[in-house]
Amino acid sequence: EPEVTQTPSHQVTQMGQEVILRCVPISNHLYFYWYRQILGQKVEFLVSFYNNEISEKSEIFDDQFSVERPDGSNFTLKIRSTKLEDSAMYFCASNGGPTYEQYFGPGTRLTVT
Amino acid sequence: GENVEQHPSTLSVQEGDSAVIKCTYSDSASNYFPWYKQELGKRPQLIIDIRSNVGEKKDQRIAVTLNKTAKHFSLHITETQPEDSAVYFCAAFMNRDDKIIFGKGTRLHILP
Repeated sequence: EPEVTQTPSHQVTQMGQEVILRCVPISNHLYFYWYRQILGQKVEFLVSFYNNEISEKSEIFDDQFSVERPDGSNFTLKIRSTKLEDSAMYFCASNGGPTYEQYFGPGTRLTVT
Repeated sequence: GENVEQHPSTLSVQEGDSAVIKCTYSDSASNYFPWYKQELGKRPQLIIDIRSNVGEKKDQRIAVTLNKTAKHFSLHITETQPEDSAVYFCAAFMNRDDKIIFGKGTRLHILP
């Protein structure tokens, strides 16, 4: 069964550094998402992406965040200058349509020190 | 803004009994309601979903009900088993906004 994959599984970075989290969505999916989950808390929507552009973003997704689908297979989340409060699990998800099941990747645990 | 409230935050039930988790949503334009199960350290996995044109859906021991008028939806798990222990999240999707809002989660403990 096809799966969403994410790399790395764990990223440790220093405050102020840039990080890029990578995702490979399921190949025939058209809609892509990033979510954040701080330890022990709920899953929070960050951004949705369709047709090579952002379709929706939350208040969390400020100017420090950007997304890109550089080559038709990868979907990346960049945080330009990380803050301590960016420490969380970041999940990528994809689906074939807006009200179809979203398939989540295994997540990248980001630790900012 | 859009909001999804979920109750209870923690639920303990005896093995074999039923568990019910309830959610309410604020935006009447929401039209898709998935439920996710998340085991410790793992990704959320869809267990059941319901669309706004349906009032109830069942899949073996799991059922979901939706009351659009009251903006309530609930998850029912019958004949609970130890492997049902996990955190369950409800969510509401708004087609016009292309985003899902999650509830805060319910930690379900199945007691032996």
